[in-house]
Amino acid sequence: NAGVTQTPKFQVLKTGQSMTLQCAQDMNHEYMSWYRQDPGMGLRLIHYSVGAGITDQGEVPNGYNVSRSTTEDFPLRLLSAAPSQTSVYFCASRNQRGNPYEQYFGPGTRLTVT
Amino acid sequence: DAKTTQPNSMESNEEEPVHLPCNHSTISGTDYIHWYRQLPSQGPEYVIHGLTSNVNNRMASLAIAEDRKSSTLILHRATLRDAAVYYCFDFSGNTPLVFGKGTRLSVIA
Repeated sequence: NAGVTQTPKFQVLKTGQSMTLQCAQDMNHEYMSWYRQDPGMGLRLIHYSVGAGITDQGEVPNGYNVSRSTTEDFPLRLLSAAPSQTSVYFCASRNQRGNPYEQYFGPGTRLTVT
Repeated sequence: DAKTTQPNSMESNEEEPVHLPCNHSTISGTDYIHWYRQLPSQGPEYVIHGLTSNVNNRMASLAIAEDRKSSTLILHRATLRDAAVYYCFDFSGNTPLVFGKGTRLSVIA
């Protein structure tokens, strides 16, 4: 298993540009989520999904859209990038059936908005 | 907001045991206690979890108080590779993991 994969690893955007951060998992996990981590800070939840077709907002959803058309993929869209969205973005997944104990995180996407 | 309370930072000498505390003041009867850690420049990784009994795995041990209002993550022999931010959670499985500030562990050679 590849686990949770994220692309790209690094990205530089200009203010106002849009882009999609990709996240995929091959563990058939129902639950997926996106976090952002600003320099020296903790992780903050952006959006999450408990299954295909179902998404919900986290702590800091403004400026981001998500969709979940398949179990495997959970892309995060930045509609109009702002310097305040400069951050490291982590995607995560876990099983929802039985005892949900381990959440797997991807390696992160480092985004800089100038 | 995170529901748990942890010290901001702790320090340990290499090869010595480390006890990382966590208060779970609002934990419910069905919540599991989970610990994760984040090594520098990496995503968080699962460490251990438990419900009521103490737990051991290859990475660490978890001691849970009888009233479940506190837990302690025990690293039996800290190494430089254990320097990380450690997070504890009350987790029912039906809600997202909401991160607090965690405890930054420094290991001194």
